Amino acid sequence: NAGVTQTPKFQVLKTGQSMTLQCAQDMNHEYMSWYRQDPGMGLRLIHYSVGAGITDQGEVPNGYNVSRSTTEDFPLRLLSAAPSQTSVYFCASSRGINQPQHFGDGTRLSIL
Amino acid sequence: GQQLNQSPQSMFIQEGEDVSMNCTSSSIFNTWLWYKQDPGEGPVLLIALYKAGELTSNGRLTAQFGITRKDSFLNISASIPSDVGIYFCALPNNNDMRFGAGTRLTVKP
Repeated sequence: NAGVTQTPKFQVLKTGQSMTLQCAQDMNHEYMSWYRQDPGMGLRLIHYSVGAGITDQGEVPNGYNVSRSTTEDFPLRLLSAAPSQTSVYFCASSRGINQPQHFGDGTRLSIL
Repeated sequence: GQQLNQSPQSMFIQEGEDVSMNCTSSSIFNTWLWYKQDPGEGPVLLIALYKAGELTSNGRLTAQFGITRKDSFLNISASIPSDVGIYFCALPNNNDMRFGAGTRLTVKP
């Protein structure tokens, strides 16, 4: 039972580098999403997708791109990393937005 | 956008004590979710509430969906050390999901 798998678990980048965080789910969920978690701020929605080929912005989308070419995969791209993007990133999936979401274990990203 | 307030921010309790935390929103919602996050892991769903006034239990956890549809509380009875973690309320709305800032619970043996 893999559920939601995120890779890598840890990453250190230099300012200006690009990076793709991977997320895959094996539950055939239509809805997938990316969050960032910063101390004292809970989780904030970056981007989401309601199905293959469809993506939309969440609360904090600036500096991030996503694509959804398959139901299973939902990668998050940082085109030019900035120190403000240092955070823990979580991917989640569910059958629909109003359904409880299943989360991956997170990617801890540091931008120097 | 809607405001979602969760309190308290943190709690330090003795093993065996009961715990209560709550969330309030500035708008009406049809679903309240409660998650727990253990250190180094992603949040895990504890309880989902879909009807105003609904009271739902999951073991030692009890959550209620406020009758005004603008608030919810989570109670933990007879706390144990493994209850340590961060508890979040969450509100799905259209295609968006908003989380509270979390309540960090520490349980002293």
